[in-house]
Amino acid sequence: DVKVTQSSRYLVKRTGEKVFLECVQDMDHENMFWYRQDPGLGLRLIYFSYDVKMKEKGDIPEGYSVSREKKERFSLILESASTNQTSMYLCASSPQTSGRFSPDTQYFGPGTRLTVL
Amino acid sequence: GESVGLHLPTLSVQEGDNSIINCAYSNSASDYFIWYKQESGKGPQFIIDIRSNMDKRQGQRVTVLLNKTVKHLSLQIAATQPGDSAVYFCAEIDRGSTLGRLYFGRGTQLTVWP
Repeated sequence: DVKVTQSSRYLVKRTGEKVFLECVQDMDHENMFWYRQDPGLGLRLIYFSYDVKMKEKGDIPEGYSVSREKKERFSLILESASTNQTSMYLCASSPQTSGRFSPDTQYFGPGTRLTVL
Repeated sequence: GESVGLHLPTLSVQEGDNSIINCAYSNSASDYFIWYKQESGKGPQFIIDIRSNMDKRQGQRVTVLLNKTVKHLSLQIAATQPGDSAVYFCAEIDRGSTLGRLYFGRGTQLTVWP
């Protein structure tokens, strides 16, 4: 059974703390994505990575950074957490398919609900 | 950039009725669309997709319709069941990316009443 796992389902942090959200996939996928999900706004892409040590900014990268040291792991880092970063964070992965996108092979993790006080 | 949105944020239907969830998109160059279902506490899951050279595609109890003239997408669920209660998202593919980057709509919460 293929799987994308996220380190925590629920997380509570204080303003100014450094926060690490971890995502691991066991499908040997090249591409990995971090989204945040807010009511009424849908999913917004923060960062994505198409290879180890490679990263690309999404639509809302401000206040975030990422790390991809190993193929299976993609970390999202909040350098100094703020209350407006309270959200649901979703990780996803997909294989590279020689330029052809296969939508049914993009898998999402269960999400991490982060609250910043 | 592209913008994908939904007309209604919530939809309530009686069990057994058909459901129709709508989605509008703004980028006429988008050529691939997907519907995802997200149940409470879970990540989105693929339901069905459609390419821009098609008007209709059917799956098991679901049908997606694409109207490129008005840039509108809809998901029809036949004989809606309580297990269909979830948030439904449409998404479009960034044609400029080979990575499968998705642009999501805001989502519609479907509630099915017994």
